[in-house]
Amino acid sequence: EPEVTQTPSHQVTQMGQEVILRCVPISNHLYFYWYRQILGQKVEFLVSFYNNEISEKSEIFDDQFSVERPDGSNFTLKIRSTKLEDSAMYFCASSESLNTEAFFGQGTRLTVV
Amino acid sequence: AQSVTQLGSHVSVSEGALVLLRCNYSSSVPPYLFWYVQYPNQGLQLLLKYTSAATLVKGINGFEAEFKKSETSFHLTKPSAHMSDAAEYFCAVTPLSGGYNKLIFGAGTRLAVHP
Repeated sequence: EPEVTQTPSHQVTQMGQEVILRCVPISNHLYFYWYRQILGQKVEFLVSFYNNEISEKSEIFDDQFSVERPDGSNFTLKIRSTKLEDSAMYFCASSESLNTEAFFGQGTRLTVV
Repeated sequence: AQSVTQLGSHVSVSEGALVLLRCNYSSSVPPYLFWYVQYPNQGLQLLLKYTSAATLVKGINGFEAEFKKSETSFHLTKPSAHMSDAAEYFCAVTPLSGGYNKLIFGAGTRLAVHP
């Protein structure tokens, strides 16, 4: 069964460092998303991406964040200068279209120290 | 802004007992509603969804949920719990416009199933 894969499963980084979280969406999917879940809090929408551009983003997704589809398979989330409060589980998801089910990856746990 | 409330962060049931996980949404317009499940060390998996068709929605693994507009609720039920149902369950909502993958999640309910 096709699945969304995320790497790494766990990343530890020092405050102020740049991190790139990687995702391989399902191959025929056209819409891509990032969500995050701070420990003990709700899963929150960060950004959606379609046709090589951001289609929607939340207030959380400020200038420190960027997304990219550098090739035909990967979808990345970059955090330019990490803060302690960026520590969270980051989920990537993809869907065939705007109104079909999103499939989620297993998540990357980011720990900023 | 829309929000989702899940009553009870932890629910514990015996194997074979009824599972009831509560979800209420706030929206002036009936939204799309979803239940996701997260097993340990896994991603979010869609259990079922309501998209303005039948109010009683059947999902995977014997779960179902009923959309009640008058109560703004979308509670998840399963007649008989199995040990393998132990997981975290998330209710989510999205507005009718703008696509239904800009999800607003509830805080989640962790379901424990005892023998």
